[in-house]
Amino acid sequence: NAGVTQTPKFQVLKTGQSMTLQCAQDMNHEYMSWYRQDPGMGLRLIHYSVGAGITDQGEVPNGYNVSRSTTEDFPLRLLSAAPSQTSVYFCASSLGSFNGYTFGSGTRLTVV
Amino acid sequence: DQQVKQNSPSLSVQEGRISILNCDYTNSMFDYFLWYKKYPAEGPTFLISISSIKDKNEDGRFTVFLNKSAKHLSLHIVPSQPGDSAVYFCAASRNQGGKLIFGQGTELSVKP
Repeated sequence: NAGVTQTPKFQVLKTGQSMTLQCAQDMNHEYMSWYRQDPGMGLRLIHYSVGAGITDQGEVPNGYNVSRSTTEDFPLRLLSAAPSQTSVYFCASSLGSFNGYTFGSGTRLTVV
Repeated sequence: DQQVKQNSPSLSVQEGRISILNCDYTNSMFDYFLWYKKYPAEGPTFLISISSIKDKNEDGRFTVFLNKSAKHLSLHIVPSQPGDSAVYFCAASRNQGGKLIFGQGTELSVKP
């Protein structure tokens, strides 16, 4: 069982470039989320999904797009990267049980 | 508008003593509360949770207390061990599997 797999682990982008952060889980979890972690800000929810084809905005959705075509995958797209998007990004999934979400190991993104 | 707040960025405790981490929330619709532990360069891992119908939940050395009237929860670690040194996040949601909103985190240091 791989759990939640995020790729890449590290990425440097130039301002204005686009990229997709990949997230895949093999636990058949319906719920998936994307978070960003910044110093002093904790983990902030970017986008959220309750199943294939269904997504919703979180606390800080601006500048990010998501789609959920399959249960397993939940990619996060940055259409035009900005330095303010420099952060560590975490993907997480859940069965909807009381044990909360399982997190991936993160993607460290730097926008220069 | 921070719905979940951890007002202490850091806490230092002697090995063997009790660690108490605090968390406040503003949204009275939250029904589930969770604590996560995070080591550097890793994703957060689930520690313990509590439903709003309870005021205490215990798992080994970890106990979470919930005071709904005060919108306050706390995590007690007894006895504290050096391996407990990490960042602790509290989180809340309106239902199981729902959007999970995190606090800013408290960095716990347990000194031998």
